[in-house]
Amino acid sequence: DVKVTQSSRYLVKRTGEKVFLECVQDMDHENMFWYRQDPGLGLRLIYFSYDVKMKEKGDIPEGYSVSREKKERFSLILESASTNQTSMYLCASSLTGGPTEAFFGQGTRLTVV
Amino acid sequence: GQQVMQIPQYQHVQEGEDFTTYCNSSTTLSNIQWYKQRPGGHPVFLIQLVKSGEVKKQKRLTFQFGEAKKNSSLHITATQTTDVGTYFCAGPRAGGTSYGKLTFGQGTILTVHP
Repeated sequence: DVKVTQSSRYLVKRTGEKVFLECVQDMDHENMFWYRQDPGLGLRLIYFSYDVKMKEKGDIPEGYSVSREKKERFSLILESASTNQTSMYLCASSLTGGPTEAFFGQGTRLTVV
Repeated sequence: GQQVMQIPQYQHVQEGEDFTTYCNSSTTLSNIQWYKQRPGGHPVFLIQLVKSGEVKKQKRLTFQFGEAKKNSSLHITATQTTDVGTYFCAGPRAGGTSYGKLTFGQGTILTVHP
């Protein structure tokens, strides 16, 4: 059974802190994604990785970075958390090649105070 | 850039009523996917449509892909309380290293009153 696991369900951090959100998938998928979900805005792509150590900026990469040292793990880093980064963060993975569905993790609700 | 618009943003129905959400893309899509997110949950894949004019059914859910492959709809017949949630459409991004990158619509939040 396909599984994408995010390290935390809820997280509260202070402004200026460096924040790490971890995501692990067990399906040997090449592609991994980080989305941000806000009411009325749908899912917005922050960063994307199609292979180990490969990454591409999405639509809203400012204030974020990512790391993919192993195929199964994709980390999202908030270099210096700000209150406008309070949001739901969703990790997803998919196979390369052809139209393929995305499998999502359970999400991390991040609050920056 | 590519935009995927979804309407309505909210829909409140009485249990037993029908529900439809519409999805329109600014560009022609090779396929369109639909996802459902239950309250407090994460998006879960429902279906993918690939062919122009394609219609697929899953029990009370009917999915359509437009002839021009720029729009799609999801219709639920006789809604039940288990249908509550947010329904998203998503289309693959055009050009470059697409690698399965999707553009999501804003979603339609469905509330069903018993």
